Amino acid sequence: GESVGLHLPTLSVQEGDNSIINCAYSNSASDYFIWYKQESGKGPQFIIDIRSNMDKRQGQRVTVLLNKTVKHLSLQIAATQPGDSAVYFCAVFTGGGNKLTFGTGTQLKVEL
Amino acid sequence: DTGVSQDPRHKITKRGQNVTFRCDPISEHNRLYWYRQTLGQGPEFLTYFQNEAQLEKSRLLSDRFSAERPKGSFSTLEIQRTEQGDSAMYLCASSLTGGDPPTPLHFGNGTRLTVT
Repeated sequence: GESVGLHLPTLSVQEGDNSIINCAYSNSASDYFIWYKQESGKGPQFIIDIRSNMDKRQGQRVTVLLNKTVKHLSLQIAATQPGDSAVYFCAVFTGGGNKLTFGTGTQLKVEL
Repeated sequence: DTGVSQDPRHKITKRGQNVTFRCDPISEHNRLYWYRQTLGQGPEFLTYFQNEAQLEKSRLLSDRFSAERPKGSFSTLEIQRTEQGDSAMYLCASSLTGGDPPTPLHFGNGTRLTVT
């Protein structure tokens, strides 16, 4: 089955710096990836997604990079703000695109 | 903005009791998912519905768990004879399918279950 993992459980950054959160996946047939943000006591919130026919996608202050060769994706947050403090999950669609499999998550802490 | 709504937000119950949670998805979404999340972990898939049909159940969903979506709108998740290991956050999500690619799941804020 699909497994999704993250390299670091906790990431601390200074306010205003850029943040990079990494994620590895195991199934080379995976073709749709999503990043979610989860604040304490809330459900996961959609941030950005990317298909396997792309290697980069940009949103507002966020960029997702996909490297299919090494089965790795990353989330870059520009000019990190205190409101970005949360747990970030990468998730991949499996089962013919019918369900999301989540990684363990990275806790992002923004220091003032 | 009417997102995914879950009720109750918190539930404390004694071991052996039955509990039922409700999820109201985004109105035009035809798919509804249940996930379970324990502290420090990512959400784990439990089951999903397309309209009123339950199409897949995880092995995590023991026979004490049952989910329904009788009219293809709201869904309920019941846990019978609760155990302490059932303590977790139960998340509901919905999406609109029919196209390619799949669409992102939109999550509710969950029901936090504590079994004492």
